[in-house]
Amino acid sequence: DVVLTQTPPTLSATIGQSVSISCRSSQSLLDSDGDTYLNWLLQRPGQSPQLLIYSVSNLESGVPNRFSGSGSETDFTLKISGVEAEDLGVYYCMQATHAPLTFGSGTKLEIK
Amino acid sequence: QVQLKESGPGLVQPSQTLSLTCTVSGFSLTSYHVHWVRQPPGKGLEWMGVMWSDGDTSYNSALKSRLSISRDTSKSQVFLKMSSLQTEDTATYYCARDRAEIPTFDYWGQGVMVTVSS
Repeated sequence: DVVLTQTPPTLSATIGQSVSISCRSSQSLLDSDGDTYLNWLLQRPGQSPQLLIYSVSNLESGVPNRFSGSGSETDFTLKISGVEAEDLGVYYCMQATHAPLTFGSGTKLEIK
Repeated sequence: QVQLKESGPGLVQPSQTLSLTCTVSGFSLTSYHVHWVRQPPGKGLEWMGVMWSDGDTSYNSALKSRLSISRDTSKSQVFLKMSSLQTEDTATYYCARDRAEIPTFDYWGQGVMVTVSS
């Protein structure tokens, strides 16, 4: 199975600060169809996960553009440009290139 | 609008079988895939399996021997059955819609907490 390693496990940020979360894959996530199926999800406290970014860098509809994704093959990054209070929660990367689908272990974002 | 809602028992005894239902609205099960994902308390997410839009299924190999996913398209429902439950199966169980053309979970249910205990 593909292992996704997220760092850091915990992140503390002030409002307005920019932060980045890394997701490294044990295998290339480049699919044979040329796309890379690496997604980012946010799970706010007590809520279901919600989709932020799909296919590395595509912003899901309704998601603020302070969120951005980048990367390729095995190294991926989620950046939040100007953290807001509502951004607290646990961020997960998820890959859908290889079966079974797998998730990273999560990065908890705390607001100082 | 798109909605998914899980339902089922909150408490299951060890060695028994768990039965959950995901009732969807706002889309057709013949056009979108529906996945099951679970999350033990305070832990991360685990993919369990999927009902593909064509009616086929795929399972996480770690659970395959105990897991069965089926559907009733006329009722817009997807079912999960998992046998031989143990305490480590205690988790919140989610169903999630897959966008299909781009594999990603764009809508999630609220989740149902299942506790395995005698």
